[in-house]
Amino acid sequence: DIQMTQSPSSLSASVGDRVTITCRASQGISNYLAWYQQKPGRVPKLLIYGASTLQSGVPSRFSGSGSGTVFTLTLNSLQPEDVATYYCQKYNSAPLTFGQGTRLEIK
Amino acid sequence: EVQLLESGGDLVQPGGSLRLSCTASGFTFNNYAMNWVRQAPGKGLEWVSGLSGGGEITYYADSVKGRFTISRDNSKNTLYLQMSSLRADDTAVYYCAKARGLGIAAAVNYWGRGTLVTVSS
Repeated sequence: DIQMTQSPSSLSASVGDRVTITCRASQGISNYLAWYQQKPGRVPKLLIYGASTLQSGVPSRFSGSGSGTVFTLTLNSLQPEDVATYYCQKYNSAPLTFGQGTRLEIK
Repeated sequence: EVQLLESGGDLVQPGGSLRLSCTASGFTFNNYAMNWVRQAPGKGLEWVSGLSGGGEITYYADSVKGRFTISRDNSKNTLYLQMSSLRADDTAVYYCAKARGLGIAAAVNYWGRGTLVTVSS
C-alpha cells in the first residue's frame, strides 16, 4: 500500500507568516491528493482537492501544489484562526490513506 | 444543506459487535460514494472503509478487513458499518464521510459529527 508522510509533524509560526506543509507519497498518485483542516474539537474540513483546486468557501490564502509523489500546502499570511491540524489524503485508489497530520500553532 | 448524522456508537466489550448508522440528507444519496473514517483519542485520521454510490463496490483498510462490513440502503439514505470481533484499538470516533463523486476515488467534502465507539471490558 502507498504510504503518505507529512512534514513537519508540528510547526509554530507568527501571524502574517507564510507556512508550507509537505506531503510525500511512497508511489505516484498523479493529482489525487486532498488537504483537510481539523480545528481543535471540530470535524475535519476539506480545503483542497485534486492537489491544487480550492474547495468552495476556503480562503484564497490557502493553496496547494504538486503531482506524482510530492505535494505542498501553503498558507499565505497566517491568521489566528488557522490554528489546526492539517492532513493530506490520497484517493487514487483504496486504501484512501491519510498522512499523520501536521499541527500548526501560533507563536 | 448536506447533513450526515451518525448513530450507534457505544461501549462494547472486546470481541463484541456493533452497527453504526449514518442518515444522510440534503443531496442525492445514491449519486455519491460514502466512507467511514475514524479517529482514536488524540490521534490522526484513519480511513476505514468506503463504497460506491450504488453499493456494488466496497473497500476496507487492512486493519478492519474481515471484521467490518460497510453497506448502504439508498431507499433510506442510510450508510451502515457492521463491526464485529471488536478490539481495544478500534476505540475511536467514527465519522461518516461523503465523497465528491460516485466512485471512491474522490475527496471527502462533507463529514458527520461522529459517533464514539469504546471497546473495553
